[in-house]
Formats: sequence, structure tokens, C-alpha cells
Amino acid sequence: ETGVTQSPTHLIKTRGQQVTLRCSSQSGHNTVSWYQQALGQGPQFIFQYYREEENGRGNFPPRFSGLQFPNYSSELNVNALELDDSALYLCASSFDRVNEKLFFGSGTQLSVL
Amino acid sequence: AQRVTQPEKLLSVFKGAPVELKCNYSYSGSPELFWYVQYSRQRLQLLLRHISRESIKGFTADLNKGETSFHLKKPFAQEEDSAMYYCALRGGADGLTFGKGTHLIIQP
Repeated sequence: ETGVTQSPTHLIKTRGQQVTLRCSSQSGHNTVSWYQQALGQGPQFIFQYYREEENGRGNFPPRFSGLQFPNYSSELNVNALELDDSALYLCASSFDRVNEKLFFGSGTQLSVL
Repeated sequence: AQRVTQPEKLLSVFKGAPVELKCNYSYSGSPELFWYVQYSRQRLQLLLRHISRESIKGFTADLNKGETSFHLKKPFAQEEDSAMYYCALRGGADGLTFGKGTHLIIQP
């Protein structure tokens, strides 16, 4: 059984650019959610995908978008990067959308200069 | 709006002493509460959830709806308990709302 994997581990972008982060769910999981964790803060919910459709969203602007693929892997896209987007982005998968138990990846550290 | 408050950023106790990590929440409905833990150089993982009423690694947490609290307790701390602990709430169909976390340090 493979765990949740995220790529890349680190990324440096400049303000205004676009970025795509990737996540492979744990085997057997059909739900993936994304969280943003700023330094010194707890993870903040961005959105959740269940069977390729978004079924929950936190308080993030539309320039944060995502996709889930038939194999349940996922992407997080952020357009028009701002300095405040610098954070650790965590992907978590779960067995179903009730997501009682989340399995987290190690995260992608994004720095926006 | 739902909110989770962990008032202690850092908590340091001696090995063998009791531990209590505080968590208070704000939510109008019936919440589901969780504790997640992150050990050094490891990923965030579920420690326990109130609905299971289980004890994991000697930790327990009781949901007190009157005080809107879900404090995490362990009677005798061990050095391997040193970690970052996050209290989280799920209200409705959206994702989890996390607190800012408490860094627990167990001194030998």
C-alpha cells in the first residue's frame, strides 16, 4: 500500500506566475483534499474532490483551482501568484468523502518572490 | 463560522507528568472533533477522533459540548510524545478546520 505522494517538494516562483502542484492519493482512496499551511499556522482547507468533482471549498479565491483524475490523483493550480501564497501545501486523501480519517502527504513548500 | 482555538503555542512537561492539551471550538451545529499529530520529520497523521471514543498511545479526549472543548489528555507523558498537536473540527460537508497547533515538549 503506497501512501500519499506530492510533487515537487519545493518550488520557487515569482509574483504573477502560475503554479501546478501534484498529488497521488493513497491506494483505494477516492477523495482528495488540499490544505494551505502558512508558517506558524494550522492547515487551512482549500477544497476537496470526490470522484473527479469538487464537493467542498474553503475561503480561497477562484485563482485557486483543482482537478482530480480518473485514477484519483489530483492537481492544485494557483494563478497570478501573490507573496502571501508562500506556504506549505498539503494534500490529503481519504477512503470516501466523509473523510473521517485523512492521510496526508509530506507537502510542497512554495515560495513566491 | 467555525473556529478552533488552541491557546497554548508551546507546552513543556517532564516525563511521567500528566499532559493536557487544550482545544476549544466554535460551531453552531454538532461538530466532529479530531486530534492530529506531527512527529519530527513525519507527516501529519490522525491521533484520535471523538466519535470513536478510543485511546491511542495512552491519549484520550472527551467532547464537552457545554464548554465547547475537546482537550487531549495523557496521565503519564513519555519522551516520544514530543510533537506538534493539532485539534480539528469538521462541521458539515466541508473540510477540516484546524487550530494553530501546540508544540508539546517532553523533558527527560
